Amino acid sequence: QSALTQPRSVSGSPGQSVTISCTGTSSDVGGYDYVSWYQFHPGKAPKLIIYGVTERPSGVPDRFSGSKSGNTASLTISGLQDEDEADYYCCSYAGSYTEVFGTGTRVAVL
Amino acid sequence: QEQLQLSGPGLVRPSETLSLTCDISGDSVSSNSAAWNWIRLSPSRGLEWLGRTYYRSNWHNDYPLSMKSRIMIQADTSKNQFSLHLSSATPEDTAIYYCARARQLGIRFYFDFWGQGSLVTVSS
Repeated sequence: QSALTQPRSVSGSPGQSVTISCTGTSSDVGGYDYVSWYQFHPGKAPKLIIYGVTERPSGVPDRFSGSKSGNTASLTISGLQDEDEADYYCCSYAGSYTEVFGTGTRVAVL
Repeated sequence: QEQLQLSGPGLVRPSETLSLTCDISGDSVSSNSAAWNWIRLSPSRGLEWLGRTYYRSNWHNDYPLSMKSRIMIQADTSKNQFSLHLSSATPEDTAIYYCARARQLGIRFYFDFWGQGSLVTVSS
């Protein structure tokens, strides 16, 4: 199972919007409405940001949103804030009771 | 207050078995709505799901094909913990290891709570 493809980095100024793509195949992203996104801050436990493609856990700001079209899922951060600077990983069900993560994207706040 | 506390050696010799334990607080390893996962992060392999164990009337384990030949994840209900055993370790297994709880949504899972990662180095 190959990792899902994400851009290595995206950047934006505070207040701007950024979108991270997560591209897989019809055997993972495209085959199931089951994509989740995770935020990794150095020295902290990773945090769930989005699950079920579009659902936001309680406590996650509504500036984070998820979507999917075909084999590509996306995470959008609207109104970028300094604390959003982190690494983000997508994850999808990949069939046969397995999960696959994305290659990871570094979000930089300029 | 949920907590996942990972423990185990930070250095493993090549060809030996890499073993880690995750102690659970604030939840039960036997929960009928959770699954208990191991995940690792390395510069060479990225973020990699290693497998899970969960209880639904009996115990289940799921592993990616790439790991099946040398991985075992076990639950210990008496200690409310779960463990990872990865045999025949190589330097490629050097990574930050995480234990994580997954919640079930329909028939799928998402990782809703993670422990702090721990670096394990495989080197002689």
